[in-house]
Amino acid sequence: DGGITQSPKYLFRKEGQNVTLSCEQNLNHDAMYWYRQDPGQGLRLIYYSQIVNDFQKGDIAEGYSVSREKKESFPLTVTSAQKNPTAFYLCASSKNSGAFFGQGTRLTVV
Amino acid sequence: AQSVTQPDIHITVSEGASLELRCNYSYGATPYLFWYVQSPGQGLQLLLKYFSGDTLVQGIKGFEAEFKRSQSSFNLRKPSVHWSDAAEYFCAVVRNRDDKIIFGKGTRLHILP
Repeated sequence: DGGITQSPKYLFRKEGQNVTLSCEQNLNHDAMYWYRQDPGQGLRLIYYSQIVNDFQKGDIAEGYSVSREKKESFPLTVTSAQKNPTAFYLCASSKNSGAFFGQGTRLTVV
Repeated sequence: AQSVTQPDIHITVSEGASLELRCNYSYGATPYLFWYVQSPGQGLQLLLKYFSGDTLVQGIKGFEAEFKRSQSSFNLRKPSVHWSDAAEYFCAVVRNRDDKIIFGKGTRLHILP
């Protein structure tokens, strides 16, 4: 079955460490997105990519980095520069008909 | 800049009652419009979408939404809610099919037995 997979579902990291969240899709979608979700804040766009080897900053890109070397993959790195990284992270992909979301990764920094 | 407003943070309705969740967008032209639902700790599921044509669109789980250009609104409705409809609902817009997706802040729906 086609879908979008995020891993891991839960992630714990020590403060000051970089961490990479995985997002893979087999839907043949061109566009992929990373959102951060905090209680009461809705979904805030971190980065998005509309084509391989190209990506754009969203509204809250500071402290994050991404790559898009393959159409299927759009990993997100949360760097030590992100001041408050504990959150629920959602990856999505889309192609003309609306976005499809992964199940999310809950990152906790201790 | 385009934006999406969901004026109600929380809504509580009784099981079996009708439901309407409000969504207003700010954009000069007609954007592409979506409604998503999210259960706790899960990703978002697409309920329905509007691109063009008939302004009343049907979605999954018995939901429908009506696009009203004059009011810049895309309200979600359901004639009779079920306890399983308790979740958070997000309205979203896209300026064109290749643009980024902008979400509202969400409306949390509570169902009274």
